[in-house]
Amino acid sequence: QSALTQPPSASGSRGQSVTISCTGTSSDVGGYSYVSWYQQHAGKAPKVIVYEVTKRPSGVPDRFSGSRSGNTASLTVSGLQVEDEADYYCSSYARSSTVLFGGGTKLTVL
Amino acid sequence: QVQLQESGPGLVKPSETLSLTCTVSGGSVSSYYWSWIRQPPGQGLEWIGYISNSGNTNYNPTLKSRVAISVDTSKNQFSLKLISVTAADTAVYYCARGGLFGLDSWGQGTLATVSS
Repeated sequence: QSALTQPPSASGSRGQSVTISCTGTSSDVGGYSYVSWYQQHAGKAPKVIVYEVTKRPSGVPDRFSGSRSGNTASLTVSGLQVEDEADYYCSSYARSSTVLFGGGTKLTVL
Repeated sequence: QVQLQESGPGLVKPSETLSLTCTVSGGSVSSYYWSWIRQPPGQGLEWIGYISNSGNTNYNPTLKSRVAISVDTSKNQFSLKLISVTAADTAVYYCARGGLFGLDSWGQGTLATVSS
């Protein structure tokens, strides 16, 4: 059972869009609609920003959107703002009723 | 709005047992699933396991032989025990509401250091 694969870093200028990928297998990301994305600011606890692949909790700006194609899920942040600079983690339900996390992506807003 | 707060010793000796408690307010531990997640310094998140509202548990296969999660409904708390700890178990430990399908509320985290 391996961790999901994310790029270690991503960046974009204020106002631009950036997409972060999360690659798994048909036994996790591709097989179940239970992919979540978490935002973690430095020194803080993670916060869910997308769940069940595409859903946003109340209070999360619609600039954050999730999608999936095959075994790869993606998080798109549109209209980048300074406060979006954080670490982002994906997670997925996996076979045998376990949970996998991605290694995390550090998003820098230029 | 549910709030979670981790508590426990910040320092544990190698080979001993790490015990942490998560106190839940604004909600009942008898409802929902409850999870533990950890994050070694400077590293990513690792799922430890969950306990369901019916008391069923499931753990990360890499930790399964050393970990136990339990719930105390009288105190509205759930707990983590990790036996035979080593330096590799040094991490910030988070408790969270949810299990397999997403974690919607998190505690602030507590640092547990394994050192003699």
